[in-house]
Amino acid sequence: EVQLVESGGGFVQPGGSLRLSCAASGFSVSDYDMHWVRQPTGKGLEWVSCIGTAGDTYYGGSVEGRFTISRDYDENSLYLQMNSLRAEDTAVYYCAREFSNNGIDYWGQGALVTVSS
Amino acid sequence: DIVVTQSPLSLPVTPGEPASISCRSSQSLLHSNGHNYLDWYLQKPGQSPQLLIYLGSSRASGVPDRFSGRGSGTDFTLKISRVEAEDVGVYFCMQALHTPYSFGQGTKLEIK
Repeated sequence: EVQLVESGGGFVQPGGSLRLSCAASGFSVSDYDMHWVRQPTGKGLEWVSCIGTAGDTYYGGSVEGRFTISRDYDENSLYLQMNSLRAEDTAVYYCAREFSNNGIDYWGQGALVTVSS
Repeated sequence: DIVVTQSPLSLPVTPGEPASISCRSSQSLLHSNGHNYLDWYLQKPGQSPQLLIYLGSSRASGVPDRFSGRGSGTDFTLKISRVEAEDVGVYFCMQALHTPYSFGQGTKLEIK
């Protein structure tokens, strides 16, 4: 059974850092494009970042230069290192997988990140 | 960056009646391979999003056939032939042709 379980969310002050983890099971993260998508409470979805099967990385404009996506084959996990956090980064962050442009077919339950002084 | 615009933002529907949601893109989503890189997702209350339609018109595994996607280029539509109570939630379209991927604002479907 495919599962994605995020962890590492929490409360952080503006300018601080946080690292999200996403443990995958039922498939290998190396075989899929993996994404982070976020959603402020009560609002819509915003694509954050993805890492392709070849290790290529992409970012949304609002996080470029501050966030870094990575994965670990041995741990079969996806990560999002978030630096210089701002209040507008407050959201639920979803880890998700995409297979060869056939849609994002599995999503985690989400991890809440709150940036506030 | 590609901007994706949905309408309507709110959609009250009587059970058994059809429903339609529009999604428009600021650039064509038609790839040279002939596929349109437009997906549809449903986020039910309190849940993570789930994939309904990918590549414009292909239903994801387990999605009822009352859901259909059509369109090409910049104009796309999600149709529900007969709305059921379990279809309530927020529907999002997403372009996957170019990074950064982008979502529409969402359409909240509610039962009358």
